[in-house]
Amino acid sequence: EQQVQQSPASLVLQEAENAELQCSFSIFTNQVQWFYQRPGGRLVSLLYNPSGTKQSGRLTSTTVIKERRSSLHISSSQITDSGTYLCAMEDTNAYKVIFGKGTHLHVLP
Amino acid sequence: EAGVTQSPRYAVLQEGQAVSFWCDPISGHDTLYWYQQPRDQGPQLLVYFRDEAVIDNSQLPSDRFSAVRPKGTNSTLKIQSAKQGDTATYLCASSFWVGGKNTLYFGAGTRLSVL
Repeated sequence: EQQVQQSPASLVLQEAENAELQCSFSIFTNQVQWFYQRPGGRLVSLLYNPSGTKQSGRLTSTTVIKERRSSLHISSSQITDSGTYLCAMEDTNAYKVIFGKGTHLHVLP
Repeated sequence: EAGVTQSPRYAVLQEGQAVSFWCDPISGHDTLYWYQQPRDQGPQLLVYFRDEAVIDNSQLPSDRFSAVRPKGTNSTLKIQSAKQGDTATYLCASSFWVGGKNTLYFGAGTRLSVL
């Protein structure tokens, strides 16, 4: 059973379009994070959003814990936004951080 | 501050060979994680430590994998007899609880190919 599910699996955009990435989870958590990974690169934390809406630059995350979902909105996408976006959360029952499989984003010129 | 350091960056083995991965976490981070990331998939937790104690190793294939963090700082993950299915990137991360947040910081990973 996949405890953290992400959709879509991949997404292709034209530069300047907006992207909406979804994460749903079946575990109890109050720690939701979004990470970014370039091909062959290290994971970098983008946003920490356990509840509500948080913004960082062109990134906006909305988490509704009761509905067990979180989203990441990327506005005015750029070619350099291409890569994999992963959501992760701490399972409060098991105290371990679990990742989804990621959304592979390709932004075309 | 220095980030999480991993070595080696790459490893290529024949099946049955052994390999060790080394991780130096961020100074002061009490929690250390080892993840396995197969190609085009998300990281899958193998084991994690708080200080020198193993908190969860339920996903670590105990017959061939082992992990230690003897002084609560650096850590070593070892594969005793590698299989082709072990081909993946092995990621180390460290974290420290501050203000109710547990943000993970990752190393660059070790990319393992088992032929």
